[in-house]
Amino acid sequence: DAGVIQSPRHEVTEMGQEVTLRCKPISGHNSLFWYRQTMMRGLELLIYFNNNVPIDDSGMPEDRFSAKMPNASFSTLKIQPSEPRDSAVYFCASSLLGPGDNSPLHFGNGTRLTVT
Amino acid sequence: GENVEQHPSTLSVQEGDSAVIKCTYSDSASNYFPWYKQELGKRPQLIIDIRSNVGEKKDQRIAVTLNKTAKHFSLHITETQPEDSAVYFCAASTSGSARQLTFGSGTQLTVLP
Repeated sequence: DAGVIQSPRHEVTEMGQEVTLRCKPISGHNSLFWYRQTMMRGLELLIYFNNNVPIDDSGMPEDRFSAKMPNASFSTLKIQPSEPRDSAVYFCASSLLGPGDNSPLHFGNGTRLTVT
Repeated sequence: GENVEQHPSTLSVQEGDSAVIKCTYSDSASNYFPWYKQELGKRPQLIIDIRSNVGEKKDQRIAVTLNKTAKHFSLHITETQPEDSAVYFCAASTSGSARQLTFGSGTQLTVLP
């Protein structure tokens, strides 16, 4: 298995631009998570999906952030408009969660976002 | 909500010595405690986890202990090697799974040759 695949690896954009981060979870996993990592705040859960349905988006910082999971093999995290304080590494992770199946989180390689 | 505190933030040990990283959690309902290792510029990877129905778990040079009464858990690495150098994160969840993990702030471990 190729693991969780994220793109792009690096994104540099100007303040005010729209940013879209992409994620392909591990095949067969039913849960997908978006995390943000910064020096100040560490690893923060933004949102997670179960069977393509958003379950908890309480970590999404504000309305500028949105996430979708149109099918079991693809998710996007969009920031519009982006701001310098959004600069961080964004990780996607997947897992198989359910009765009798509780695999650990498998992280992707992350997208390093820089907003100037 | 859950709050996880991790100490120390940085730790340096000589190769071959042991390293201990400690975490405390606030929610007594927490029942799943994984540890992740993140090498520089790479993704976090699970190294060991423990559930609240056991007090200790070992995997070769790595062990985790859990004290539910005191609400703290620790990572122990014995016979440290330079490749153990990384940031280690603890986490806690009340769901018994990777759902809604709260992470600690991380410990930068440096193993000196």
